[in-house]
Amino acid sequence: DAKTTQPPSMDCAEGRAANLPCNHSTISGNEYVYWYRQIHSQGPQYIIHGLKNNETNEMASLIITEDRKSSTLILPHATLRDTAVYYCIVLRPSGSARQLTFGSGTQLTVLP
Amino acid sequence: GAVVSQHPSRVICKSGTSVKIECRSLDFQATTMFWYRQFPKQSLMLMATSNEGSKATYEQGVEKDKFLINHASLTLSTLTVTSAHPEDSSFYICSAPQGGSGEKLFFGSGTQLSVL
Repeated sequence: DAKTTQPPSMDCAEGRAANLPCNHSTISGNEYVYWYRQIHSQGPQYIIHGLKNNETNEMASLIITEDRKSSTLILPHATLRDTAVYYCIVLRPSGSARQLTFGSGTQLTVLP
Repeated sequence: GAVVSQHPSRVICKSGTSVKIECRSLDFQATTMFWYRQFPKQSLMLMATSNEGSKATYEQGVEKDKFLINHASLTLSTLTVTSAHPEDSSFYICSAPQGGSGEKLFFGSGTQLSVL
């Protein structure tokens, strides 16, 4: 699975959009980009995933660059409850259960 | 969405005792579950893969005799920390793939183990 690079921390004002970048320059053609987050002392939570097209769901939007070497997770209107560590993970689906390898992630702090 | 239930959420035990942590998939079957450990201010580290009806697969450096995993049914996996010591104090988290397979995992709420 391709390696990812994320900034260790970011701040965002409450109500503003939070844009979390992820670099995955060695991604291969059949690898997907997954985003999870972990609120303090809880288990991680799936947010969104994509291959090459931009994706949106009720939680967030995922923007993947055309060359797929980087992506951005967007929380359109951040709230205090979005304060968490956000993990970007790149992997190739196998059709069977796969463990996830978590990097160090980005600590997002939403400020009032 | 799918729910993974993990119990207990917190346990404090004396050194030398054993602790069992349960992980249940509530509305789906999971032939595979994953167990992670997380130390303070660190990321999650995979400990083992639990397989229903067969032996678990342990990651390098994880003692299988110390961390006993049992996956006796399609909805329940247990992790038993045997003869716990203070260095085993950590946050333990289980997960299961949605629909039983794939890369989208659902995680339990975690168990904070403190060994005195």
